[in-house]
Amino acid sequence: AQSVTQLDSHVSVSEGTPVLLRCNYSSSYSPSLFWYVQHPNKGLQLLLKYTSAATLVKGINGFEAEFKKSETSFHLTKPSAHMSDAAEYFCVVSDGYGGATNKLIFGTGTLLAVQP
Amino acid sequence: EAGVTQSPTHLIKTRGQQATLRCSPISGHTSVYWYQQALGLGLQFLLWYDEGEERNRGNFPPRFSGRQFPNYSSELNVNALELEDSALYLCASSGETGVNTEAFFGQGTRLTVV
Repeated sequence: AQSVTQLDSHVSVSEGTPVLLRCNYSSSYSPSLFWYVQHPNKGLQLLLKYTSAATLVKGINGFEAEFKKSETSFHLTKPSAHMSDAAEYFCVVSDGYGGATNKLIFGTGTLLAVQP
Repeated sequence: EAGVTQSPTHLIKTRGQQATLRCSPISGHTSVYWYQQALGLGLQFLLWYDEGEERNRGNFPPRFSGRQFPNYSSELNVNALELEDSALYLCASSGETGVNTEAFFGQGTRLTVV
């Protein structure tokens, strides 16, 4: 069964410094992986997704993630943090191999704080 | 284009009552998913409906149920409410099934059980 582990529950960075949010996954199949962001009092928004086309995936707002099969990781990065990046970030694996179950398995989330 | 809409935004119920939450998917989407986001527990998969049928459910008791209507909107019903059912309930929709499915989320319904 698929699972996902977000290694940090809280990350704090200064504005203008790099962001690294770590995610490891477990999957019996070739996984589909996503990063979602949830700003306070708002719904979840897709940042990016890995669909096996390329290991380095670029998303919105300058975020990107690299799929590393050997490390079973899908870490999210951004070169320079902005105050508006403060939010909760969820790493997600799809349990939908062949469309059989089609559910998204969410990590427990990483709360990103950006200090001025 | 309208996104996924959920109603009500807030709901307060007492223990033992029933709660009904509603979700309208993005136009053209046939799949609806329900998730529970309880404090300290992260996002837990509840139910998946597609083309009017329940396709999968998460590890929740039978008092959590729902349905999908012919127009693909969906209801989540929670019977015999317990205090620990207090959570943000998120609905998502997608227009395709399969491994690379992207889900679009609504703003959620905040259920408080007192």
